[in-house]
Amino acid sequence: DTGVSQNPRHKITKRGQNVTFRCDPISEHNRLYWYRQTLGQGPEFLTYFQNEAQLEKSRLLSDRFSAERPKGSFSTLEIQRTEQGDSAMYLCASSLNPNTEAFFGQGTRLTVV
Amino acid sequence: AQTVTQSQPEMSVQEAETVTLSCTYDTSESDYYLFWYKQPPSRQMILVIRQEAYKQQNATENRFSVNFQKAAKSFSLKISDSQLGDAAMYFCAYRRSGGGADGLTFGKGTHLIIQP
Repeated sequence: DTGVSQNPRHKITKRGQNVTFRCDPISEHNRLYWYRQTLGQGPEFLTYFQNEAQLEKSRLLSDRFSAERPKGSFSTLEIQRTEQGDSAMYLCASSLNPNTEAFFGQGTRLTVV
Repeated sequence: AQTVTQSQPEMSVQEAETVTLSCTYDTSESDYYLFWYKQPPSRQMILVIRQEAYKQQNATENRFSVNFQKAAKSFSLKISDSQLGDAAMYFCAYRRSGGGADGLTFGKGTHLIIQP
């Protein structure tokens, strides 16, 4: 499978715990994006990387959220001290460059109880 | 800030018929991209069609076509000969062109139901 891969697919965690999600983009895709999608809403942009550089962070990305993309390959999104409001689908997408199609992964569904 | 509005939470169409999904957007930019994405129940977003704002010709991909009205900031999707596999959430999205910030701005989506 050469598409965007996200792990885990589902995560249930207790409030206050830390969680980390992983995204493996399509090989050679320089751009990697993270989005959050809550029930009944469209995805909301969180942040994106050009290779290993994080170029923009949405105001939605509070201090409890951090994303990395070491070596410009896979990326991780960590949420510290999770809150119930963090429950959502977290989507990752990648593209070859800014002007080409973004391919999405299947997402990680986070449930905070 | 850019906004994308989809005013139809749900649409229903008979199989083999034609349906049009509406989308309006607001931006102060003159050059940008518009997209329609499909999200089936498996939740993986798939690009259906894209339109560059500088192109006057409406994009077409097989049974999918758009009606892009730049002055009205309208970008509707027409699906001809609807098939059962078209059932999904459809999201309209905007992205400005050029370097810098280029995350997609999505609408809330339209749930398309195909009646057999």
